[in-house]
Amino acid sequence: QVHLVESGGGVVQPGRSLRLSCTASGFPFSNWNMHWVRQAPGKGLEWVAFIPIDGTGPFYADSARGRFTMSRDNSKNMVFLQMNSLRTDDTAVYYCTRDAWGPDYWGQGTLVTVSS
Amino acid sequence: QSALTQPPSASGSPGQSVTISCTGTSSDVGGYDHVSWYQQHPGKAPKLMITEVNRRPSGVPDRFSGSKSGNTASLTVSGLQAEDEADYYCISYAGRSTYVFGTGTKVTVL
Repeated sequence: QVHLVESGGGVVQPGRSLRLSCTASGFPFSNWNMHWVRQAPGKGLEWVAFIPIDGTGPFYADSARGRFTMSRDNSKNMVFLQMNSLRTDDTAVYYCTRDAWGPDYWGQGTLVTVSS
Repeated sequence: QSALTQPPSASGSPGQSVTISCTGTSSDVGGYDHVSWYQQHPGKAPKLMITEVNRRPSGVPDRFSGSKSGNTASLTVSGLQAEDEADYYCISYAGRSTYVFGTGTKVTVL
């Protein structure tokens, strides 16, 4: 079955960088577009980024554009989110999701806490 | 990229129906038939309940249904059950490979 596992979260100071990873299994990864979605503590879901199967684009929410970079490695069934210049309002659980004109399968998420 | 508007809360007694709205613009909800709905229980990852406005993925009870009229999409939960108490979110394609979520609705089963 479809399985998505995020990693790389943790506590980081404002202004620093962090790289999230997501390992996919149970489906032909190279045939599927992927998303990152985040959820701040006690808040709603926020779409962050989208990457097509060939890695072109990617495409970002206004809050992520210019600071975050999404990429993928189809040979390893992985997607990544490089987050630079982190701010306190980037604190959230970050979910990796598969795309079916919107997320269908979700990982369990990885918590990123930006705090001094 | 403004969030789609959902009511903060909705409620109903067991067996009743509840309908949640998701209002956007002609640039998102009104412009595309790519609206999905998710159920999220506390501490859990969201679960896809409706895709492409009104299609139920395998395993989702037929008590859940979706529709769209103009710039507003709706999720109806019929025959409410205790386990339906959760947060619900909509999402719409917004063009140029971008997406926007709704603000979320907390459904309470009285």
